[in-house]
Amino acid sequence: QKEVEQNSGPLSVPEGAIASLNCTYSDRGSQSFFWYRQYSGKSPELIMSIYSNGDKEDGRFTAQLNKASQYVSLLIRDSQPSDSATYLCAVKGLDEKLTFGTGTRLTIIP
Amino acid sequence: DAGVTQSPTHLIKTRGQQVTLRCSPISGHKSVSWYQQVLGQGPQFIFQYYEKEERGRGNFPDRFSARQFPNYSSELNVNALLLGDSALYLCASSAWGGTEAFFGQGTRLTVV
Repeated sequence: QKEVEQNSGPLSVPEGAIASLNCTYSDRGSQSFFWYRQYSGKSPELIMSIYSNGDKEDGRFTAQLNKASQYVSLLIRDSQPSDSATYLCAVKGLDEKLTFGTGTRLTIIP
Repeated sequence: DAGVTQSPTHLIKTRGQQVTLRCSPISGHKSVSWYQQVLGQGPQFIFQYYEKEERGRGNFPDRFSARQFPNYSSELNVNALLLGDSALYLCASSAWGGTEAFFGQGTRLTVV
């Protein structure tokens, strides 16, 4: 049974600070790793994908992957109130199926 | 470019009824997957179709079925609805080979 674990939060971060979201996964055969943002009542929106060890930056977002530790993280710099949402970590293996964590609820405090 | 489109957006059904949800993928994407998301949980995998063939099935009862059409659109059918089937049903569109999946706006199903 593949598992993806996230701290459900809520995580509260002051506006302008760095938000750090973490995720661990159980299947060592996992190939692709994704972060989705989901606003309340809406569908998940893809914000980052990462496929190899190391860091990947896109604007204010940085994804980090460590396959040896089976660990994925997302950093959000200069956090804005509009970043308040639930962040879902998702992992895809050779079966092409996405396995999601339960999500971390992030609140940016003005 | 149109994204993933799902219909309807909201639906209310009575226990025991049947429902059909529809999804049109992003142009050029040949893979469609269906997920169920209940409140407070991450999406759970139901089905995956690629090139009109079922490529994966999650841990859902046989009341759930799906198909993919020659134009790569897809339908999810749920028979004999239970109260516990109330959820947000999500369709994801992707190419194949570990690439990114993009979700439609979802169908909110309420079973009463």
